[in-house]
Amino acid sequence: SAVISQKPSRDICQRGTSLTIQCQVDSQVTMMFWYRQQPGQSLTLIATANQGSEATYESGFVIDKFPISRPNLTFSTLTVSNMSPEDSSIYLCSVEGQTYEQYFGPGTRLTVT
Amino acid sequence: GQQLNQSPQSMFIQEGEDVSMNCTSSSIFNTWLWYKQDPGEGPVLLIALYKAGELTSNGRLTAQFGITRKDSFLNISASIPSDVGIYFCAGQNRVTSYDKVIFGPGTSLSVIP
Repeated sequence: SAVISQKPSRDICQRGTSLTIQCQVDSQVTMMFWYRQQPGQSLTLIATANQGSEATYESGFVIDKFPISRPNLTFSTLTVSNMSPEDSSIYLCSVEGQTYEQYFGPGTRLTVT
Repeated sequence: GQQLNQSPQSMFIQEGEDVSMNCTSSSIFNTWLWYKQDPGEGPVLLIALYKAGELTSNGRLTAQFGITRKDSFLNISASIPSDVGIYFCAGQNRVTSYDKVIFGPGTSLSVIP
């Protein structure tokens, strides 16, 4: 399975600011995903990020709020824009394995004050 | 939309006991995945199931893909303190084209030494 790292691991941000989260994979992957996990909740898919194309967003998530970049097959970023306390969550990136299972990074724990 | 239910929601067991949890859906899936999430970490894939009726083991863990394709269960034998965490099931209908993974709400496991 791929080794996935995320930066930062955690951050405390003020409302109205933006934070960019980085996801790095140790091998080339076609499909990368960004999830949000609100406190005590399950995982919710934000968007799918494929290299060379626009990210595909799930219902309830928009590009202006969560812009995503996918410049190559090993890297992606998710920006949480104009943050409010409701954005306090764990943000996780994942990649798809050879038999379509997903592997997750360690997550970025975001607190918005 | 597709939803998964997991039961029990939480469980407290004595060390050494066996554990059984399950996941049900109103929709059919052709892939079932089981993950474990430790506090402050990303989910880790435990077992992937791809065929109805399939029974797969990973150490003390055993999972089965239900015959109806609408359910799956996970058993843990002889539990130990490091089994503590949240267990998520996930379903997917990935065949030749991408279909997103749906996650259940999780089962929280506590092991009493």
